[in-house]
Amino acid sequence: DAGVTQSPTHLIKTRGQQVTLRCSPKSGHDTVSWYQQALGQGPQFIFQYYEEEERQRGNFPDRFSGHQFPNYSSELNVNALLLGDSALYLCASSHDSPLAYEQYFGPGTRLTVT
Amino acid sequence: RKEVEQDPGPFNVPEGATVAFNCTYSNSASQSFFWYRQDCRKEPKLLMSVYSSGNEDGRFTAQLNRASQYISLLIRDSKLSDSATYLCVVNLFSGGYNKLIFGAGTRLAVHP
Repeated sequence: DAGVTQSPTHLIKTRGQQVTLRCSPKSGHDTVSWYQQALGQGPQFIFQYYEEEERQRGNFPDRFSGHQFPNYSSELNVNALLLGDSALYLCASSHDSPLAYEQYFGPGTRLTVT
Repeated sequence: RKEVEQDPGPFNVPEGATVAFNCTYSNSASQSFFWYRQDCRKEPKLLMSVYSSGNEDGRFTAQLNRASQYISLLIRDSKLSDSATYLCVVNLFSGGYNKLIFGAGTRLAVHP
């Protein structure tokens, strides 16, 4: 049973560029959440996708956008990269249920913006 | 004020020591509570859920005080392998959706 997978594992971009990160949820899961974890901080919620729609969003600018595909996989896009966007980006999957609060995390994508 | 606040750490303890981490949360509507463990440069993994009655899993004991909005984690007989960052997490179920809110984490270093 494959867990949550993310790609790429590491990425280096230049300020102003755009980046796309990818996530495949754990088998049987239909909900994908994205988090940003800066060095020395806990993960910060970016947004959550279910049934191909964004249904919750954290306090992140519109430069952060996403998508969910019919197979439940998801992408996170960040436009006009800033140095402050350098972080570990984590994807977590879960099953859509009021009781299914446990989220399973992927290994993350480490983004460095220079 | 942060939604979830933890002891800043780091905690440096010898093997065999008992160590306690504390956490407070600000939203009284928080419904579920957890401790996650995160190893260096790895993803967070669920360590244990936290219940009002208190719960124990081997050397780990978690406690929740809803009135004080306070969560704790006690680790007994620390092992070198316990060295990690411990994240206090609350689940806010709002609008029909679950949303996890993480504290900044407390780093534990267990030395021989």
